Amino acid sequence: GQQVQQSPASLVLQEGENAELQCNFSTSLNSMQWFYQRPGGSLVSLFYNPSGTKQSGRLTSTTVIKERRSSLHISSSQTTDSGTYLCAMGLSGSFNKLTFGAGTRLAVCP
Amino acid sequence: GGIITQTPKFLIGQEGQKLTLKCQQNFNHDTMYWYRQDSGKGLRLIYYSITENDLQKGDLSEGYDASREKKSSFSLTVTSAQKNEMAVFLCASSMGGNNERLFFGHGTKLSVL
Repeated sequence: GQQVQQSPASLVLQEGENAELQCNFSTSLNSMQWFYQRPGGSLVSLFYNPSGTKQSGRLTSTTVIKERRSSLHISSSQTTDSGTYLCAMGLSGSFNKLTFGAGTRLAVCP
Repeated sequence: GGIITQTPKFLIGQEGQKLTLKCQQNFNHDTMYWYRQDSGKGLRLIYYSITENDLQKGDLSEGYDASREKKSSFSLTVTSAQKNEMAVFLCASSMGGNNERLFFGHGTKLSVL
């Protein structure tokens, strides 16, 4: 079965609203990364966050290994935040193999 | 900083054709990867390589070959393109291989007629 579940699958926001994106794992992990992908564009690494909380500007990533989840919080969303957000986890004992979620498609309207 | 360059950006093939996708990185990274991205699905690992001349199969290796003749380059071959196939192939690299931070190229979009 699928080991990485992302939610919601899609999200529409008004500019200025906050968003919380979730990633849940069915097995134990040893790494977690968040990526951003603009339509038709490359994946850009946002966070490499195996555990704890990291912040970069308006983005905050929190990974709780014991609860097998990671979240990405976007505050004061902007239209330029629109795109797809993907989480990927590295499984314990699975060297070099990241398992990706299907992504959350975010649209921020002016 | 560095960059990952994938060529071509767009690839149109015929059913049954053998197609080769190329990837170059100047990060001096040891590990390189090929992923396939289908609409509505997560990325799936096709092949990876932890050093020059090394090849490791991913979850989706059937129907593909790969080659890592130099540290900086990693190529992927679709051995027989499937009719109506449409996907994006993404190349990535990382310093080591222990699930370290990945950097991606812009992708090659494949369409098979």
